[in-house]
Amino acid sequence: SSELTQDPVVSVALGQTVRITCQGDSLRNYYVSWYQQKPGQAPVVVIYGKTNRPSGIPDRFSGSSSGNTASLTITGAQAEDEADYYCGSRDFSGYHHVVFGGGTKLTVL
Amino acid sequence: EVRLVQSGAEVKKPGESLRISCKASGYSFTSYWIAWVRQMPGKGLEWVGIIYPGDSDTRYNPSFQGQVILSADKSISTAYLQWSSLKASDTAMYYCARDLSSSFQNWFDPWGQGTLVTVSS
Repeated sequence: SSELTQDPVVSVALGQTVRITCQGDSLRNYYVSWYQQKPGQAPVVVIYGKTNRPSGIPDRFSGSSSGNTASLTITGAQAEDEADYYCGSRDFSGYHHVVFGGGTKLTVL
Repeated sequence: EVRLVQSGAEVKKPGESLRISCKASGYSFTSYWIAWVRQMPGKGLEWVGIIYPGDSDTRYNPSFQGQVILSADKSISTAYLQWSSLKASDTAMYYCARDLSSSFQNWFDPWGQGTLVTVSS
């Protein structure tokens, strides 16, 4: 099976740009999806297919990928972006098998 | 509106059985896989497994194989996650989510609100 690695904690000043990264071998073959989870709430997808943003997600959220590393960038971070962020991708075990990263807690200062 | 509504919180004793549910609305229930995801207290997301309600085809994370059973009832657009003998280590929030996988990507949208399962003697 695969593993995805994320930095546990990242901080950003209000209005600045922050990049959250996710590393893993599966990212060389499969696209990543990113999920935002606020305290006491279910996760919400913010990026899928590497760069696609679901309707309703602000355009300050963007995704990119190179080699075994995927990134979620928030351009002009807002206070409401403070949350846990998880990356996910297909596991080498099978089409529907998924692995998640350990999560990054984003603090907006 | 596509929605997944999960059953309420449960408090059980070790050794007891449990089935939690996830009711879908706003889309064709039999056309999309439904995944289950565990989140232990203060921890990250873990993929438990997935079921295709159209024919009840299932896939399990090897870590959960034999520990849980996924099922679905097409007549009421509801997916289930069940345990035959709970352990304290099953204490967690469990989410269901609609799977929107395609050729090179897997992603989930929407997610249910979660069901908190507490197992304690």
